[in-house]
Amino acid sequence: GQQLNQSPQSMFIQEGEDVSMNCTSSSIFNTWLWYKQDPGEGPVLLIALYKAGELTSNGRLTAQFGITRKDSFLNISASIPSDVGIYFCAGQIGSGNTGKLIFGQGTTLQVKP
Amino acid sequence: DTGVSQDPRHKITKRGQNVTFRCDPISEHNRLYWYRQTLGQGPEFLTYFQNEAQLEKSRLLSDRFSAERPKGSFSTLEIQRTEQGDSAMYLCASSSRKGANEKLFFGSGTQLSVL
Repeated sequence: GQQLNQSPQSMFIQEGEDVSMNCTSSSIFNTWLWYKQDPGEGPVLLIALYKAGELTSNGRLTAQFGITRKDSFLNISASIPSDVGIYFCAGQIGSGNTGKLIFGQGTTLQVKP
Repeated sequence: DTGVSQDPRHKITKRGQNVTFRCDPISEHNRLYWYRQTLGQGPEFLTYFQNEAQLEKSRLLSDRFSAERPKGSFSTLEIQRTEQGDSAMYLCASSSRKGANEKLFFGSGTQLSVL
């Protein structure tokens, strides 16, 4: 079945550093999404990507939809302590345009002040 | 702006008992989704509704699971004869469709522990 491979699994960085994480798949996706999840809470949408090659920013976050439609990356610049959490990539699956998503396993980010 | 609301936030039950969770979506959203998330994993799709119609169910949704959205507003997810493997976070999400794109907004989830 379809799978999303997310890397790295975890990162421990110093405040102020830039962060990069990526997501790959053997399948093509028409939509890539990046979510952040805090402990005990649901995922919150950070960035949505709808076109191959698209580069989108949201504040200090930048994400790109790979040209092959099989990968995406998320960059966080100048990290701050509140960036701590689990970051998930997700791809839209199934026919039609629905919220039926497949998620990666997540990248856990820890930021040292 | 009221987000997606889930109740209860936590549920502890004994194996074999039935449990029911409730989800109240964002009021103008016509699509509602249920996902399940186990520790260390990303959420997995279970089922979704458009208005009151249940349009798709995952193979993960065994016959012990049933979801309803009777009036096209709130939804319930019931698990009968719970098993320890049912322990997970159950997430509800709702969406509105603007143009060709759909964005999901998740609730805070119901954490189920089956003893």
